[in-house]
Amino acid sequence: ETGVTQTPRHLVMGMTNKKSLKCEQHLGHNAMYWYKQSAKKPLELMFVYSLEERVENNSVPSRFSPECPNSSHLFLHLHTLQPEDSALYLCASSLSLTSSYNEQFFGPGTRLTVL
Amino acid sequence: GNSVTQMEGPVTLSEEAFLTINCTYTATGYPSLFWYVQYPGEGLQLLLKATKADDKGSNKGFEATYRKETTSFHLEKGSVQVSDSAVYFCALSGKGGSASKIIFGSGTRLSIRP
Repeated sequence: ETGVTQTPRHLVMGMTNKKSLKCEQHLGHNAMYWYKQSAKKPLELMFVYSLEERVENNSVPSRFSPECPNSSHLFLHLHTLQPEDSALYLCASSLSLTSSYNEQFFGPGTRLTVL
Repeated sequence: GNSVTQMEGPVTLSEEAFLTINCTYTATGYPSLFWYVQYPGEGLQLLLKATKADDKGSNKGFEATYRKETTSFHLEKGSVQVSDSAVYFCALSGKGGSASKIIFGSGTRLSIRP
């Protein structure tokens, strides 16, 4: 596989469930990102990881818990979500945070529906 | 701080019409500028980029010129196709460190009628 992949592509969960979103990049990048895309709202940056260390957490509720075990994999663990958390969750990667320009490559997203 | 403002959509055009989507930015220093496109059901894809003033990015018939004097990076295409229907995001990135994260505009939905 090439590029950035995300699984699952679609997820429906109840508010008491625990699930995880997975992102994998095959580009040799050192930085990875989680974004939330809701209808009629701008892209929201949730988390940034650089060399497996979290460098940014944009006031995201604790029911979202990221994990980056290595530079190729990024997870978003979900628990006790709310219906307003329903959205498209996008993963992205870039060469590094310190490259001269920071082009990001996106995965196809996971469409999450919370019932 | 850095920010991006782009024209609100939706924009609806007939096939073969001329397209302009306006984008202006506020940034310290000399950011890199991008246009990303999101087709239905997909993630964002980089469409074109420019890294310094007066650079012109181009791809798939789309063009945008980095105008420092007007802090703009307007997207243009001379003749749109139905397949260009998508959401377009203007974005900027600073240089180095935490300043290099990308700031996205709110997106402009484009619909092309056959």
